[in-house]
Amino acid sequence: SQQGEEDPQALSIQEGENATMNCSYKTSINNLQWYRQNSGRGLVHLILIRSNEREKHSGRLRVTLDTSKKSSSLLITASRAADTASYFCATEGGSSNTGKLIFGQGTTLQVKP
Amino acid sequence: DAGVIQSPRHEVTEMGQEVTLRCKPISGHDYLFWYRQTMMRGLELLIYFNNNVPIDDSGMPEDRFSAKMPNASFSTLKIQPSEPRDSAVYFCASSFVKDTQYFGPGTRLTVL
Repeated sequence: SQQGEEDPQALSIQEGENATMNCSYKTSINNLQWYRQNSGRGLVHLILIRSNEREKHSGRLRVTLDTSKKSSSLLITASRAADTASYFCATEGGSSNTGKLIFGQGTTLQVKP
Repeated sequence: DAGVIQSPRHEVTEMGQEVTLRCKPISGHDYLFWYRQTMMRGLELLIYFNNNVPIDDSGMPEDRFSAKMPNASFSTLKIQPSEPRDSAVYFCASSFVKDTQYFGPGTRLTVL
């Protein structure tokens, strides 16, 4: 079954605006990761946040994690047309620590120039 | 580094035929994952290996699917016989010490 559920399913914004995507999950995790997928391509890792971390930054990306609410958010600031892609959260986790990731259904982001 | 390499990039076949997808992981990575992506079901983990040993194949849809990893630099996913519902994009990914996964470009499979 799906572990991560993204919200919204689709998002359309103007270049320069901020984009926020949310992810909720069901069970305990070791870490949560965000990936980007451009149309027709493989997934590209963006950022990883561990269960004992609350916030992480990488360039224009900001990720938060709230383990009490079992949720995470990805913020892309000052968006660009090149940010147009699908974004997936993926959780690895619980006591098994297997390295196995469970992906959500993704948020499709369109950034209009 | 060349990244994860998958072949073929596109495969069109007829129902009942055998299909073999190939993957070369990034050198030094000890985990290899096979995923399938469709519009209906999203990205599904089929099977993964650690140090060439299959660890979890619970995502393999049925006995028609099999995967092997004969050595650290090569893996195959085989479908025999193929069916139209197997049409999807199949991704291979590799990782080192269970964190970031690096995905290949995928194989788009169409079964007629």
